[in-house]
Amino acid sequence: NAGVTQTPKFRVLKTGQSMTLLCAQDMNHEYMYWYRQDPGMGLRLIHYSVGEGTTAKGEVPDGYNVSRLKKQNFLLGLESAAPSQTSVYFCASSSDRRNTEAFFGQGTRLTVV
Amino acid sequence: LAKTTQPISMDSYEGQEVNITCSHNNIATNDYITWYQQFPSQGPRFIIQGYKTKVTNEVASLFIPADRKSSTLSLPRVSLSDTAVYYCLVGDIGSGANNLFFGTGTRLTVIP
Repeated sequence: NAGVTQTPKFRVLKTGQSMTLLCAQDMNHEYMYWYRQDPGMGLRLIHYSVGEGTTAKGEVPDGYNVSRLKKQNFLLGLESAAPSQTSVYFCASSSDRRNTEAFFGQGTRLTVV
Repeated sequence: LAKTTQPISMDSYEGQEVNITCSHNNIATNDYITWYQQFPSQGPRFIIQGYKTKVTNEVASLFIPADRKSSTLSLPRVSLSDTAVYYCLVGDIGSGANNLFFGTGTRLTVIP
């Protein structure tokens, strides 16, 4: 049981390049999330999804797009990377039951130069 | 969303009990209180969750007074490996995915 898997783990981009981060979960969870964490800061929600085919904006959505074509996958896209998007990105998933918990991936460290 | 307030940092010696308090004055009737732990370079990990009174598991205890406006995470006899950031979350993520809201957390440093 892998839980939540993020791909890639590390990436360096040049300003203006695009890339897609993949999050996969094998727990049949309805909810999935993308967060970013800057040094010494807490996690900030970028986008989230409450089910296959649905997405919604979080706290800091600008510069990012997401897609949830399959229930187990949640993709985060950067169309034109900027140095301000240098961060560690975490994906998480949870069920839609009450009194539930979220499971996180190991993170993707992205540097934009 | 109920806003939470917790200390930015705490230091403790090995072997001591550590209590981290979180204030959440605007907690709603359906909200649960959940604590996560985050080690450097890792994603947060669920520690404990409760609704009222006391909850205990193999890792920690969670104390919630009757008015539920605050909660205290208690870590018994901490070791160096308990050095981490601890987040208090209030909400019911099962009723809305936007309830998984993290603040800045409490950075606990355990000293030898």
